[in-house]
Amino acid sequence: EAGVAQSPRYKIIEKRQSVAFWCNPISGHATLYWYQQILGQGPKLLIQFQNNGVVDDSQLPKDRFSAERLKGVDSTLKIQPAKLEDSAVYLCASSLDLQVSYGYTFGSGTRLTVV
Amino acid sequence: LAKTTQPISMDSYEGQEVNITCSHNNIATNDYITWYQQFPSQGPRFIIQGYKTKVTNEVASLFIPADRKSSTLSLPRVSLSDTAVYYCLVPVYNQGGKLIFGQGTELSVKP
Repeated sequence: EAGVAQSPRYKIIEKRQSVAFWCNPISGHATLYWYQQILGQGPKLLIQFQNNGVVDDSQLPKDRFSAERLKGVDSTLKIQPAKLEDSAVYLCASSLDLQVSYGYTFGSGTRLTVV
Repeated sequence: LAKTTQPISMDSYEGQEVNITCSHNNIATNDYITWYQQFPSQGPRFIIQGYKTKVTNEVASLFIPADRKSSTLSLPRVSLSDTAVYYCLVPVYNQGGKLIFGQGTELSVKP
């Protein structure tokens, strides 16, 4: 089966600019996650969707980050305006449902550099 | 916060067996223990999951004692390509189930 697709693969922007990342999960996967991974750390969960609804966005810095999954399939994560500390890899993952025993499938991520 | 504790790093040599132990003292009765592997420039990849005793697949074995407060990931005869970060995870149930990652164990396999 096709994996989780993410684009772009790399992005370099200046601070205060805006950026958007796109994710296409595995077909049929109801649950979608966005993680932020700073160099040398484990992934940090930003937001969790079940179909087109937000389940948990408690760790999302809502003053600058936003995410949507309008039709319950693809998702976009936006940062506006970006700060230097947003430099990280943004990972998208999907799973069949909220039951984590199904396991997650991760994309390769988008590496963001803010200069 | 992650519900697990594991060593930050380990070194090994090709051909050796590597055992990474993880502690999860507050694991709930219905929780599974899941391990993921992450190579540089890639997302984490699911490698094994278990509930009790022993689970084995083509990649690894997972040993879980009766009290389930710890688990050990065993990688037989590692090669250079097993150099990666290994994460031990127990799901967090708060507004839906989710995986909260800790720092993981960085395994370095040397020739």
